[in-house]
Amino acid sequence: NAGVMQNPRHLVRRRGQEARLRCSPMKGHSHVYWYRQLPEEGLKFMVYLQKENIIDESGMPKERFSAEFPKEGPSILRIQQVVRGDSAAYFCASSPGQGLPEQYFGPGTRLTVT
Amino acid sequence: SQKIEQNSEALNIQEGKTATLTCNYTNYSPAYLQWYRQDPGRGPVFLLLIRENEKEKRKERLKVTFDTTLKQSLFHITASQPADSATYLCARGGDNAGNMLTFGGGTRLMVKP
Repeated sequence: NAGVMQNPRHLVRRRGQEARLRCSPMKGHSHVYWYRQLPEEGLKFMVYLQKENIIDESGMPKERFSAEFPKEGPSILRIQQVVRGDSAAYFCASSPGQGLPEQYFGPGTRLTVT
Repeated sequence: SQKIEQNSEALNIQEGKTATLTCNYTNYSPAYLQWYRQDPGRGPVFLLLIRENEKEKRKERLKVTFDTTLKQSLFHITASQPADSATYLCARGGDNAGNMLTFGGGTRLMVKP
């Protein structure tokens, strides 16, 4: 059973460009979470999605950030007009739901904004 | 807001000894606490989950406790090995229906041979 897949693993963008981060959850998992880990800081929750629905985006910055989890395909975290402060590791986690709260993390995407 | 605090200083122990890491939380007890291991440049790996009504959970050389009076969880690794060297993260969950996790800053464990 393949684990959570994220791509790309490393992404370099210039200020003002767009970044698209992809996450494929574990097979059978319908709940996806995105977390951000800034250098020397802990993991911070960003958004929680189920198929075709954003359930909680309380951790998302109000502007430039959006997320989706379409019926088909991976979940996407999109950052528009990136700034240097967006440089971080972005982790996706999935869980099966149904009263099973364990979350399984992907390897992360390391975004560097130059 | 709910907070999770872990000792940010690195813990250095000798191989074969028991490592004990501490996680403290504020306000009300979470429905559960989860412990993860994170190696440099990698994603967190789930280790153990303990629910509020459980005092102790074990898995091989790992043991986790949940003390709602002290508002604390302890994470033990017995017979530690150099391969156990990593950062260990504590997270609280179940504070809302979404089950998103609030993480502590992690404690770095170094096991010396």
